[in-house]
Amino acid sequence: DVKVTQSSRYLVKRTGEKVFLECVQDMDHENMFWYRQDPGLGLRLIYFSYDVKMKEKGDIPEGYSVSREKKERFSLILESASTNQTSMYLCATTSYMNTEAFFGQGTRLTVV
Amino acid sequence: DAKTTQPNSMESNEEEPVHLPCNHSTISGTDYIHWYRQLPSQGPEYVIHGLTSNVNNRMASLAIAEDRKSSTLILHRATLRDAAVYYCIRDTNFGNEKLTFGTGTRLTIIP
Repeated sequence: DVKVTQSSRYLVKRTGEKVFLECVQDMDHENMFWYRQDPGLGLRLIYFSYDVKMKEKGDIPEGYSVSREKKERFSLILESASTNQTSMYLCATTSYMNTEAFFGQGTRLTVV
Repeated sequence: DAKTTQPNSMESNEEEPVHLPCNHSTISGTDYIHWYRQLPSQGPEYVIHGLTSNVNNRMASLAIAEDRKSSTLILHRATLRDAAVYYCIRDTNFGNEKLTFGTGTRLTIIP
């Protein structure tokens, strides 16, 4: 059974903190994605990576960075969390040969 | 830019068929149509995809217009468990493609 695991289901952080959201996949997929989901706005792509150490900006990269040191792990970093980054964050993966995407369960981040 | 257009919401009665429309008038010849759904409190899950011909699987059917500018996801007999947000996206189905979702259609099933 394929798995995309996000490190936390719920997270509460203070404004100005550095926040790491981790995503691990066991499918040997090349591509990994970070989205945020807000009411009325759907899923918006923050960053994606198609290989180790490679990253591409999505539609809303401002305020975020990412790291992909190993194929199975893709981290989303909020350098200085702000209240407008309170959201549901979703990680997804696809392979080169079949872009059926597999999603994690999501991390609901609250910044206070 | 999701490049697809879907109604914001739809309702259907339980045990009746549901037809969820999607417009993708600028689709290119190599783009596939993918459908995903997101159940409450879960990440999206794959439903079905197709290129030109109609497709069936255990979850749903996908009817693609002859000009490929629109498609319809068909749930043959809706159950309460089908209440979800349904996303229609286009993708080349190969390579390091950026996957863009939109706001989807929120499907409500009436008992």
